[in-house]
Amino acid sequence: QKEVEQNSGPLSVPEGAIASLNCTYSDRGSQSFFWYRQYSGKSPELIMSIYSNGDKEDGRFTAQLNKASQYVSLLIRDSQPSDSATYLCAVNMGRGTSYDKVIFGPGTSLSVIP
Amino acid sequence: GAGVSQSPSNKVTEKGKDVELRCDPISGHTALYWYRQSLGQGLEFLIYFQGNSAPDKSGLPSDRFSAERTGGSVSTLTIQRTQQEDSAVYLCASSPPGTAYEQYFGPGTRLTVT
Repeated sequence: QKEVEQNSGPLSVPEGAIASLNCTYSDRGSQSFFWYRQYSGKSPELIMSIYSNGDKEDGRFTAQLNKASQYVSLLIRDSQPSDSATYLCAVNMGRGTSYDKVIFGPGTSLSVIP
Repeated sequence: GAGVSQSPSNKVTEKGKDVELRCDPISGHTALYWYRQSLGQGLEFLIYFQGNSAPDKSGLPSDRFSAERTGGSVSTLTIQRTQQEDSAVYLCASSPPGTAYEQYFGPGTRLTVT
């Protein structure tokens, strides 16, 4: 089992719809969870971080964390064509070593259709 | 404020040559990471520096790869005797203290080995 898994997509949604991006992780000791957006040819950009169970909202973005199910998701409301990008889930494994490693998932490609 | 900067933005080199890639983290950021991203692929962790601690080099793919961080700030990634499979975008990221590994990425260096 890979440490951080995401559906590769592409995920296509119409403009104005809700895009739902999902991520599962293998290490129950994980403490910190991040969503990055990466436009084609650009570097990743941090858009959300979440540390406790439940929902965290920031504008049109909502991150949801369920540690019992080892599941984290990102909802994008009122999706816009400018949201078309690859979304990377990242998890801090919290293994207590000198480097609590952050593992990135493979990313989900999102396409918002006008 | 200024973000993470990397130089050069593009580097074309002949197989067998050595290359140096530079990263200037955001001022005050104590953690610095190097990743590699091949075309259409996810992020591959290379090395991590945290303050004055010994770096985590567990991601370096071979002994041709090395990195150093001088004065807790600027970092240089060196690839010796480059091979065609080293062609990728090399990304640097930094994190401020106490943010549980929120990473801020530079624009990357695109390395092409001919």
